[in-house]
Amino acid sequence: QQQVKQSPQSLIVQKGGISIINCAYENTAFDYFPWYQQFPGKGPALLIAIRPDVSEKKEGRFTISFNKSAKQFSLHIMDSQPGDSATYFCAARVVSGGGNKLTFGTGTQLKVEL
Amino acid sequence: GAGVSQTPSNKVTEKGKYVELRCDPISGHTALYWYRQSLGQGPEFLIYFQGTGAADDSGLPNDRFFAVRPEGSVSTLKIQRTERGDSAVYLCASSAVGTDTQYFGPGTRLTVL
Repeated sequence: QQQVKQSPQSLIVQKGGISIINCAYENTAFDYFPWYQQFPGKGPALLIAIRPDVSEKKEGRFTISFNKSAKQFSLHIMDSQPGDSATYFCAARVVSGGGNKLTFGTGTQLKVEL
Repeated sequence: GAGVSQTPSNKVTEKGKYVELRCDPISGHTALYWYRQSLGQGPEFLIYFQGTGAADDSGLPNDRFFAVRPEGSVSTLKIQRTERGDSAVYLCASSAVGTDTQYFGPGTRLTVL
């Protein structure tokens, strides 16, 4: 059972445009929602994260929008740049055994064209 | 400072062999996680250590997989009788006590022939 559904699978955006990636979850026990960026051959790196008591969080060009009632959240990348070309994963955390167990979406390959 | 390191970066083995994958977490991080990332997929949780003990091993797929962290720092993921379906990138992450952020290493790409 896929607990975090992510779309689209791939995305092509023109330089300067807005990239939007969407995720939906089912488990209401999730209490923390990070987005990770991954370049080829590298491990995922935290980009931005949000908790469900907040509807929006912005850090520079990156914004998370969160809709608790719909169990959906999205990443917006403003003024997209070629250097943003990477794979993006949404994730959701449930505390288990005292630790932070992350469930990841299937990823979105973003390509920003000149 | 140094990030999470993993060795080897690549491991090629034959079906049925035993492999060990090593993770060096960020110094001082008490929490350590192992994930497995198959091609075109997101990472999947395998096991979580708090200190030396495995606090949550619910993601280990079967008893061929085992992990240890004897001194609360370096961890080793051990896979017995490897199968072709074990081929994936194995990621390690660590985090400091009381924080949410997991810092990932570059992973070990395991290929089982």
